[in-house]
Amino acid sequence: AQSVTQPDARVTVSEGASLQLRCKYSYSATPYLFWYVQYPRQGLQLLLKYYSGDPVVQGVNSFEAEFSKSNSSFHLQKASVHWSDSAVYFCALSIGASSGQKLVFGQGTILKVYL
Amino acid sequence: EAAVTQSPRSKVAVTGGKVTLSCHQTNNHDYMYWYRQDTGHGLRLIHYSYVADSTEKGDIPDGYKASRPSQENFSLILELASLSQTAVYFCASRTQDTQYFGPGTRLLVL
Repeated sequence: AQSVTQPDARVTVSEGASLQLRCKYSYSATPYLFWYVQYPRQGLQLLLKYYSGDPVVQGVNSFEAEFSKSNSSFHLQKASVHWSDSAVYFCALSIGASSGQKLVFGQGTILKVYL
Repeated sequence: EAAVTQSPRSKVAVTGGKVTLSCHQTNNHDYMYWYRQDTGHGLRLIHYSYVADSTEKGDIPDGYKASRPSQENFSLILELASLSQTAVYFCASRTQDTQYFGPGTRLLVL
């Protein structure tokens, strides 16, 4: 069955440090993968998405993600975080047309950036 | 960018009561979705719809009904609210391959 796992429930980094949030997926077909961010008391906002081609995709606010088929991973990265990046980050997998193109979400990773 | 609004933004309901959560989108998207989010968990799909007057079950449909009276509106109905339905509910609409989410409705069932 298809699934998404974010192994780190909480990540704490200092402002200016680099960041990697991990995401592993399980899906037998070609994965469509997404990263969303949720700020406190807000809905989910799309950061970036991957379908095919260059395994490194760029997103908003200097975030990028790297897809690895061999590792079944789609890790999110940022070279230098800002305190305003503190939020919950969700990795998601889009399931095909027969399932309504629904999203399967990971559990989320809470990111805390301290000054 | 898609505009998805939800009402109410928060609600307190009594056990056994009826609750209706509403979602409205303004971008002519065919697909709409209802998810629930529980503390410390990702979102799970309750119902979705790809056309007006038709709804489909998602992964956790038990205890919920959905209604799509028009392309713009998609409602989630809890006929007999239960304590276990306390959660945050998100509506989303989809264009091509990307879903856009509303701000969420925080539901507390007492």
